[in-house]
Amino acid sequence: SYELTQPPSVSVSPGQTARITCSGDALPKKYAYWYQQKSGQAPVLVIYEDNKRPSGIPERFSGSSSGTMATLTITGAQVEDEADYFCYSTDNSGNPKGVFGGGTKLTVL
Amino acid sequence: QVQLVDSGGGVVQPGRSLRLSCVASGFTFNSYALHWVRRAPGKGLEWVSVITFDGTNKYYADSVKGRFTISRDNSNNTLFLQMNGLRPEDTAMYYCARDVRGYGPYYMDVWGKGTTVTVSS
Repeated sequence: SYELTQPPSVSVSPGQTARITCSGDALPKKYAYWYQQKSGQAPVLVIYEDNKRPSGIPERFSGSSSGTMATLTITGAQVEDEADYFCYSTDNSGNPKGVFGGGTKLTVL
Repeated sequence: QVQLVDSGGGVVQPGRSLRLSCVASGFTFNSYALHWVRRAPGKGLEWVSVITFDGTNKYYADSVKGRFTISRDNSNNTLFLQMNGLRPEDTAMYYCARDVRGYGPYYMDVWGKGTTVTVSS
């Protein structure tokens, strides 16, 4: 079955660059998406189709994808960016489904 | 504004049933596919199910297939998740979410605030 793998945690100081990776065998052929989920809140889309930023998402959030790995980059991370981040993609073979990575806890302190 | 309001969660014994609802407003409901996604305590997000804009096609995660049924009422802008044979491992916050397309799954751009389901004896 299709899997996406993320590191469990990433930690940076305020103002540093945070990079969260997501690896999956189908990523060369499928887009990656990134969701931010803060404690007690619903997920928020921060990157779609590998590298596009929805309106209202700060410019410090960017995405890239190369081969089997997608990366979410937060340039100049702020304390308010501390959250869980999940990559997401789709598996449209046979039984179509959505697939989330295991999630990465970003700590900014 | 575009909004999804999910409800129907609660505490239920193993083996029992529960039906979740999600009422939409602020957009043309019958143009979009809709998803259910859950997050169990201490775990990550898990995609559960998607239904196409017209209700014709429905897809499920292997973990819920045969127990959960997704449906929609386009006349009343409402999405449902009928959950039968509930197990303790179904305990989670359940979110409804809008797909950006009519035929899912693609990706979700609008989410409800979630409703909590607890399966416990």
